[in-house]
Amino acid sequence: NAGVTQTPKFQVLKTGQSMTLQCAQDMNHEYMSWYRQDPGMGLRLIHYSVGAGITDQGEVPNGYNVSRSTTEDFPLRLLSAAPSQTSVYFCASSRGSWRQGASDTQYFGPGTRLTVL
Amino acid sequence: SQQGEEDPQALSIQEGENATMNCSYKTSINNLQWYRQNSGRGLVHLILIRSNEREKHSGRLRVTLDTSKKSSSLLITASRAADTASYFCAAAQTGANNLFFGTGTRLTVIP
Repeated sequence: NAGVTQTPKFQVLKTGQSMTLQCAQDMNHEYMSWYRQDPGMGLRLIHYSVGAGITDQGEVPNGYNVSRSTTEDFPLRLLSAAPSQTSVYFCASSRGSWRQGASDTQYFGPGTRLTVL
Repeated sequence: SQQGEEDPQALSIQEGENATMNCSYKTSINNLQWYRQNSGRGLVHLILIRSNEREKHSGRLRVTLDTSKKSSSLLITASRAADTASYFCAAAQTGANNLFFGTGTRLTVIP
């Protein structure tokens, strides 16, 4: 199993450009999430999905869109990049949810380092 | 912000010593999780403790949880140089799919 894969590893954008960060998992996990990590801070949840066709907002969703057409893929779209979106982005998946006492481990991808000029 | 706080921000110890990291959070939780992150890598899940548990062990890791104080601690015993990493706690908010991460503790184990 490849686990959780993310592409690209690095990306530089100009303000106003759009792009899609790709995330895929081969573990047949229902739950997938996107986080951003800024210097000196923990991860913050952007969007998550509880299954194909179902997505919802996390703590910092503004400026990002997601969709989940298949179980395997969960792309994150930046519609009009801003310097405030410079960050490292992590995708994660788990068999079930961490809510309500579930104890399913989240598996993280290696991250995408995004710089917006 | 609902982010948690971790203390200390940085910790440097000699190999063989124990390392203790503390986490405080703001919401009521279903469970609290601890993760490790090596420099430039993704996070790796270490251990999860449910809100009705007070202590949990896994190998050299010991986690405690005090929901009345909204705090948790991670103890790594007999540390090794390979334990050098950043450690994050994450609080799973009750009734929601939000997971709030702490700011992290950077642990350095000196051989």
